[in-house]
Amino acid sequence: TQLLEQSPQFLSIQEGENLTVYCNSSSVFSSLQWYRQEPGEGPVLLVTVVTGGEVKKLKRLTFQFGDARKDSSLHITAAQTGDTGLYLCAGHNQGGKLIFGQGTELSVKP
Amino acid sequence: DVKVTQSSRYLVKRTGEKVFLECVQDMDHENMFWYRQDPGLGLRLIYFSYDVKMKEKGDIPEGYSVSREKKERFSLILESASTNQTSMYLCASMGSRPGEQYFGPGTRLTVT
Repeated sequence: TQLLEQSPQFLSIQEGENLTVYCNSSSVFSSLQWYRQEPGEGPVLLVTVVTGGEVKKLKRLTFQFGDARKDSSLHITAAQTGDTGLYLCAGHNQGGKLIFGQGTELSVKP
Repeated sequence: DVKVTQSSRYLVKRTGEKVFLECVQDMDHENMFWYRQDPGLGLRLIYFSYDVKMKEKGDIPEGYSVSREKKERFSLILESASTNQTSMYLCASMGSRPGEQYFGPGTRLTVT
């Protein structure tokens, strides 16, 4: 069974701080997605990484795919209250299914 | 923009009732999925469909069935609702880019 372990599960920080969320697996994924979910809404796709070692930036968010395509990280610079939400990583395997991590609940306080 | 809509945002049903959750997407995507989301357990795949009239079991299909009569519509059916099916139900569609799923707003189902 493929698993994606996300850490930390909960993160509470002050506005302006930096943070990193990790997503790890012992399995190789053909691609990996990061989603953000606000309370009472469905997840929204942020980014897809495909190539080992790939780095993608989305304003203050930096996403990295591990060289072996088994892990990924999301780094947020100078967090804002609007970044509050549940961050989910998801790995797409060769069988066509999406394996989700359990999520990181981020709370950014003013 | 892809739009995925779900028939209800909130639903309260009694134990033993038959429950229908409807999902419609407007992007002509072939792939559609039903998940449930519970605290501490993440998103778990119930059923998915790669084409009209085609369905595949996900990781937790027990107690659920699905119907895909038209490409844009994927329905989840709880034949006889039970309290352990109280959950947030999320529908998603996916086009040609693997792994990139577009989710509906979810249905918060409570079974009493």
